[in-house]
Amino acid sequence: DADVTQTPRNRITKTGKRIMLECSQTKGHDRMYWYRQDPGLGLRLIYYSFDVKDINKGEISDGYSVSRQAQAKFSLSLESAIPNQTALYFCATSQGKGEQFFGPGTRLTVL
Amino acid sequence: AQSVTQLDSQVPVFEEAPVELRCNYSSSVSVYLFWYVQYPNQGLQLLLKYLSGSTLVKGINGFEAEFNKSQTSFHLRKPSVHISDTAEYFCAVSVLYNQGGKLIFGQGTELSVKP
Repeated sequence: DADVTQTPRNRITKTGKRIMLECSQTKGHDRMYWYRQDPGLGLRLIYYSFDVKDINKGEISDGYSVSRQAQAKFSLSLESAIPNQTALYFCATSQGKGEQFFGPGTRLTVL
Repeated sequence: AQSVTQLDSQVPVFEEAPVELRCNYSSSVSVYLFWYVQYPNQGLQLLLKYLSGSTLVKGINGFEAEFNKSQTSFHLRKPSVHISDTAEYFCAVSVLYNQGGKLIFGQGTELSVKP
């Protein structure tokens, strides 16, 4: 079984809809992250959480919100989706300052 | 603030040829350095990392990278590539203090290995 899972894997939605992307991990890591990937831009950090009571904005948090429901769960929400939020979204986890472990990604299309 | 620049967006190479993917970073503080690989339609997988110690780091699948502090570079190399190495490669840095753990990624380099 995968250590970091993301649901859904693919989602097509319409402008203005609310969308939630979910991430779960079985690695027991305290730190969790949400990134978006766009061609030619690499991965950019949206939000991160160093423990259940800690939520921090990344470099591109506008239009997104997150919830850390438990150590193992970190959800990303788009309150009112817009087309330029079409991207590949990755969740990641880490313990300390070393390697991050990535989920398989969610491909989101906003029409 | 930190930044990462991958100097080539695309690198075409023939099978069994050597390859170097270039990465430069900017930081006023010490950093950890990483190379990740993303195969088509998959997530990111760690190739190798530099945390401290020897500046020559060996990773999976025959890749290695050398940390050069004076040139602020962390170039990735492989002496002989295979078709299966076709993927996108990302260089990333993580700062060592305070908010340590956040990764800052380069723009990515698409490696295309041709027969």
